Amino acid sequence: GAGVSQSPSNKVTEKGKDVELRCDPISGHTALYWYRQSLGQGLEFLIYFQGNSAPDKSGLPSDRFSAERTGGSVSTLTIQRTQQEDSAVYLCASRPGPNTEAFFGQGTRLTVV
Amino acid sequence: DQQVKQNSPSLSVQEGRISILNCDYTNSMFDYFLWYKKYPAEGPTFLISISSIKDKNEDGRFTVFLNKSAKHLSLHIVPSQPGDSAVYFCAAMGWRAQKLVFGQGTRLTINP
Repeated sequence: GAGVSQSPSNKVTEKGKDVELRCDPISGHTALYWYRQSLGQGLEFLIYFQGNSAPDKSGLPSDRFSAERTGGSVSTLTIQRTQQEDSAVYLCASRPGPNTEAFFGQGTRLTVV
Repeated sequence: DQQVKQNSPSLSVQEGRISILNCDYTNSMFDYFLWYKKYPAEGPTFLISISSIKDKNEDGRFTVFLNKSAKHLSLHIVPSQPGDSAVYFCAAMGWRAQKLVFGQGTRLTINP
C-alpha cells in the first residue's frame, strides 16, 4: 500500500524483554517521527529523523529507548528491558518535506505483562 | 513544557450545530499548524492546516483560524455530524525545527 506501515500491530511481551517496533514510511518522505500514546493521554513525541539523522531525540524517555533509520527509509524503535509503564500505542508518521502534513501509521499496541 | 495546549479535554455538541475546538501555543517560532482527527484503534488522520502567513483556511465544513498575536488557533466544524465524533489534536512546527508537537487532544461528541 501507499501509506505508512507499522509492524507488528500488536505486541505482548514479558517485563524485562527487548522489543523492536518497525515503521515503513511512505516512499520518498524525508522526515519520520515516532510518538507514543498511553491510555487516556495525548501524543507524546519521542524522536524525529530527517533522512538518517535524528536532529531531535529529546522525547526518548530513558536510555532503554533507541531508534535508528537506515537508507532514509525504514525505522526501528527498540525498547530494552521493557517495563510495564512502556505499555502504550507507538505511532510512526512520515512527511515529504517542510511545512507539509505528516501521515500516520496505524500504530503498534505494546503491552508489557 | 507543554508548548501546545488544548485546555478542553472534551466537548459535546448537538448535530447540525457548530463545533469549535481551541488550541494555544507558547513557542513564537511555530509557523505551521495542523489539525488531526483520531478514531479509536486508528492512527491520526490529517484534517486541515494553516501557515502563519494566513489567518484563515477553509476546507468544506472545516475552517481553521489563527490569531498569531494571541498564539491561538481554533477549528470550526459546521454543520457538525455524528461521524465527526472523535479525538481532535492540534499540532505545530517551526521552519527551522521541524519537530511536530501535539496538544493533548479534545474528545468531540456529536449528539443526535
